[in-house]
Amino acid sequence: GQNIDQPTEMTATEGAIVQINCTYQTSGFNGLFWYQQHAGEAPTFLSYNVLDGLEEKGRFSSFLSRSKGYSYLLLKELQMKDSASYLCAVMDSNYQLIWGAGTKLIIKP
Amino acid sequence: DTAVSQTPKYLVTQMGNDKSIKCEQNLGHDTMYWYKQDSKKFLKIMFSYNNKELIINETVPNRFSPKSPDKAHLNLHINSLELGDSAVYFCASSQEDTLYQETQYFGPGTRLLVL
Repeated sequence: GQNIDQPTEMTATEGAIVQINCTYQTSGFNGLFWYQQHAGEAPTFLSYNVLDGLEEKGRFSSFLSRSKGYSYLLLKELQMKDSASYLCAVMDSNYQLIWGAGTKLIIKP
Repeated sequence: DTAVSQTPKYLVTQMGNDKSIKCEQNLGHDTMYWYKQDSKKFLKIMFSYNNKELIINETVPNRFSPKSPDKAHLNLHINSLELGDSAVYFCASSQEDTLYQETQYFGPGTRLLVL
């Protein structure tokens, strides 16, 4: 079966760095997405990785290792507004998005 | 100038009723989706439409029927609502780009509560 695993909840301090991991087992791979979802709002696109390596976009970076079925989202200089759920999703060989359950990130002052 | 819009934002109704949720996207995308997000926050794909043709139909009850009058609209009609249908329903759209990236853009969600 297809499976996306990410931690249920993480806590970090304002100004610090946090890494949210995602491991996947899917039938085929056509890219991995990270989305941010604030409570009561829609998911919004953060990043897309299809090749191995690190993609940096401001305070957020996303890493992919296809051989290990592994990705992480790195958030630097954490701000209170970064408190949200972070969803990992993989596009399989049928171009369907397989979603993880999301990681709830709590930022403390 | 909202990219993906849904109406209504909130919907409270009685068991057994029939209701519709509307979705419109002004991004010119070819594919639109309906997702259900339950209380555990897990996003589950229900349907997707590409150029007015259903291309994904997950194992959802046939009480749910998507209707796409044109490429920019994908409405969701639900018959005989049940308590378990209470959830947030998200519409999304996507377009494959030259890098084969197909980012999905989500609407604001419709919070359905069945009493």
